[in-house]
Amino acid sequence: DAGVIQSPRHEVTEMGQEVTLRCKPISGHNSLFWYRQTMMRGLELLIYFNNNVPIDDSGMPEDRFSAKMPNASFSTLKIQPSEPRDSAVYFCASRLRTGGVSKNIQYFGAGTRLSVL
Amino acid sequence: RKEVEQDPGPFNVPEGATVAFNCTYSNSASQSFFWYRQDCRKEPKLLMSVYSSGNEDGRFTAQLNRASQYISLLIRDSKLSDSATYLCVVNDNTDKLIFGTGTRLQVFP
Repeated sequence: DAGVIQSPRHEVTEMGQEVTLRCKPISGHNSLFWYRQTMMRGLELLIYFNNNVPIDDSGMPEDRFSAKMPNASFSTLKIQPSEPRDSAVYFCASRLRTGGVSKNIQYFGAGTRLSVL
Repeated sequence: RKEVEQDPGPFNVPEGATVAFNCTYSNSASQSFFWYRQDCRKEPKLLMSVYSSGNEDGRFTAQLNRASQYISLLIRDSKLSDSATYLCVVNDNTDKLIFGTGTRLQVFP
């Protein structure tokens, strides 16, 4: 049973370049979350989707960040232009949203480790 | 004040020891609670949910005190493989999970 799949696993780029991170949620899950993790700030929610619709993007740091979910099995997080302070691990997580809060269990992908030089 | 606060540690304990982690949360409307485990350079994974009456899963026991807005995790008979960061997670009846910054545990032989 495949879990959440993220690509690439590692990305090294230069300041000013466009970066695209990809995520395939668990099949059948209808909520998808993008997080960023740094030593200083821990795990921060950037944006999440329910049924492919963006619900809350208040965690997106600035306009350089954008996310899309064109269908139930694919999402992208794009940074353009990238800056050194964007260096972090970016996680995607998915969940089957059934309405019961006790089941609000999210499953994480292995993450993309981004380094912006 | 952070929404979920944890002692960052590290907690360094010998094999076989009992260790306890604490967590406090600020939103009294929080509905569900979890402990996630994160190994070095890996993703967070659900360790256990935390129920009002407290619950146990093998060597792990989780407790919730709603009045004090306090959650705990007890690990008995620590194993080397328990070395990881333990994340306290709170949900306030929305889709969002709020993660603490984690408590690092290192179990030594």
